[in-house]
Amino acid sequence: QVQLQESGPGLVKPSETLSLTCAVSGYSISSGYYWGWIRQPPGKGLEWIGSIYHSGSTYYNPSLKSRVTISVDTSKNQFSLKLSSVTAADTAVYYCARQESPYSSGWYYYWGQGTLVTVSS
Amino acid sequence: AIQLTQSPSSLSASVGDRVTITCRASQGISSALAWYQQKPGKAPKLLIYDASSLESGVPSRFSGSGSGTDFTLTISSLQPEDFATYYCQQFNSYPQTFGGGTKVEIK
Repeated sequence: QVQLQESGPGLVKPSETLSLTCAVSGYSISSGYYWGWIRQPPGKGLEWIGSIYHSGSTYYNPSLKSRVTISVDTSKNQFSLKLSSVTAADTAVYYCARQESPYSSGWYYYWGQGTLVTVSS
Repeated sequence: AIQLTQSPSSLSASVGDRVTITCRASQGISSALAWYQQKPGKAPKLLIYDASSLESGVPSRFSGSGSGTDFTLTISSLQPEDFATYYCQQFNSYPQTFGGGTKVEIK
């Protein structure tokens, strides 16, 4: 069974870089699919951040593109998110998930449990 | 970016009621739409993909329809476990976008 688990600091200072990792078990990232990051500010809706393929091909949300980097480490079967110059507006639950489509874009079936990242000094 | 507008933003309904949620896209997205259910403190759960395909294991009281710009999620007979927030998502083109959500509450 495919499982995803986010990890990283729960508190980040303003202007610093948020870094999260998503460890995947039950499936090899190298075997395919796109892998994505989605976030949800407290009490608000879902926002797609970006997606990556095992080859390293990425798609980013233009609203965040200048600050986002998503990378993949197939040897550790994990992928990562870095968001720079964070502000309080970046406070959210961050989810990692697998895209369920043979194409470059798709829907999400497997999700991590989510991790709350708070931006505060 | 393609905008998805869900309506209503919230609704109150009783067990056994038929519930319909609408998702309208700002431009045509073919059938590239998914529906999710989210309960407090939990990750979203996939219900429908490709606008009308029911995900395995999801009760048949859930159904999706539509194509182009107008889509609906229907719950034929609302059950106690269906009280949650529902989101639509388009994956026709990047950036992927989600609707603002519809909260289904107990009447």
